[in-house]
Amino acid sequence: AQSVTQLGSHVSVSEGALVLLRCNYSSSVPPYLFWYVQYPNQGLQLLLKYTSAATLVKGINGFEAEFKKSETSFHLTKPSAHMSDAAEYFCAVSDDGGATNKLIFGTGTLLAVQP
Amino acid sequence: DSGVTQTPKHLITATGQRVTLRCSPRSGDLSVYWYQQSLDQGLQFLIQYYNGEERAKGNILERFSAQQFPDLHSELNLSSLELGDSALYFCASSDWTGGGETQYFGPGTRLLVL
Repeated sequence: AQSVTQLGSHVSVSEGALVLLRCNYSSSVPPYLFWYVQYPNQGLQLLLKYTSAATLVKGINGFEAEFKKSETSFHLTKPSAHMSDAAEYFCAVSDDGGATNKLIFGTGTLLAVQP
Repeated sequence: DSGVTQTPKHLITATGQRVTLRCSPRSGDLSVYWYQQSLDQGLQFLIQYYNGEERAKGNILERFSAQQFPDLHSELNLSSLELGDSALYFCASSDWTGGGETQYFGPGTRLLVL
């Protein structure tokens, strides 16, 4: 069965610094991978997704992620953090290789951005 | 705004009661998913409907049930509520059920069981 592991439940960076949020996946089939962001008291918003078209995926708000099969990773990065990036970030994998598309989420990483 | 609407936004009820959460998917989306977000369990998939039919089931308790109506809106029914059912319940929709399809999430219904 598919699963994702997010390393670091809390990450703190300074404004302008690099953001790196880690996600490793486990999948018996080529995975579909997603990063979602949740701002306080809001629903989840898709940042980006990997569907095998390209290993480097660019998303909204300057975020990108690289799919590395050899490392079973899909880490999320942003070159320069902004105060508005403070939120909780979830990595997810689409289960069953696409049969149902239900999402299996990681435990989330809360990103704090210090001025 | 994702285009997915959920009502009510907040719900406070007592143990043993029954509640119904409602979700309207984005226009044109045939697939509806329900997820539960709690502090101890995280974000968990509950159930999926596609064009009125149940498509997949996750960690959904027997006390919970759902359905999708001909107009494609969906309802999640929670009965014999327990304190541990307090959580944020999200609905998401997509236009089909294929792998890699983006799911659009509603703002959620926050349920508090006292």
